[in-house]
Amino acid sequence: DTGVSQDPRHKITKRGQNVTFRCDPISEHNRLYWYRQTLGQGPEFLTYFQNEAQLEKSRLLSDRFSAERPKGSFSTLEIQRTEQGDSAMYLCAITFGDLNEKLFFGSGTQLSVL
Amino acid sequence: AQTVTQSQPEMSVQEAETVTLSCTYDTSENNYYLFWYKQPPSRQMILVIRQEAYKQQNATENRFSVNFQKAAKSFSLKISDSQLGDTAMYFCARGDAGNMLTFGGGTRLMVKP
Repeated sequence: DTGVSQDPRHKITKRGQNVTFRCDPISEHNRLYWYRQTLGQGPEFLTYFQNEAQLEKSRLLSDRFSAERPKGSFSTLEIQRTEQGDSAMYLCAITFGDLNEKLFFGSGTQLSVL
Repeated sequence: AQTVTQSQPEMSVQEAETVTLSCTYDTSENNYYLFWYKQPPSRQMILVIRQEAYKQQNATENRFSVNFQKAAKSFSLKISDSQLGDTAMYFCARGDAGNMLTFGGGTRLMVKP
């Protein structure tokens, strides 16, 4: 158990629909991250939060993507007007302790856009 | 762009043997962290080992050890006494400010009985 729960595990949607994923850190943590992983590739950084503040966003995060962490605990990632290229595994990760400590990943949400 | 490169897309090893996975990286920072993550078929990313760039001593975790060559920007993973459960994708990653990890493209390791 990495202390990170993601919901749903799988999501199938039609192109043009909006989807929302949720990340719930179970244990006490420091920062919360979102990564995207396409098949056969390594994860790519999307964004991260320190408490409620979104401190960094990748250029991969287009206008259709928005992430929130309203109370500094759970986080949501929404994709509007989904495209087939959005099909990927969306991973949430947390850290404990100081800068550059270990990242602990959740099991991810697999998105398939038809 | 600062990159992480894993030049071996696939590798195989016989059970109980030793295998080394290669990784090179690019960075302009002097202080950073390097990681190896394992991703089995379940797709859960599992931290295998971590190395602080300011430490000369190579990190070791049970059967897993690294060969960190800072000047060459090389960070290889050695798995000793390979087990069937080691079959997975292995990703090398570099940690920058804010814990933003940059991952390599991965090496698929197959441990054969």
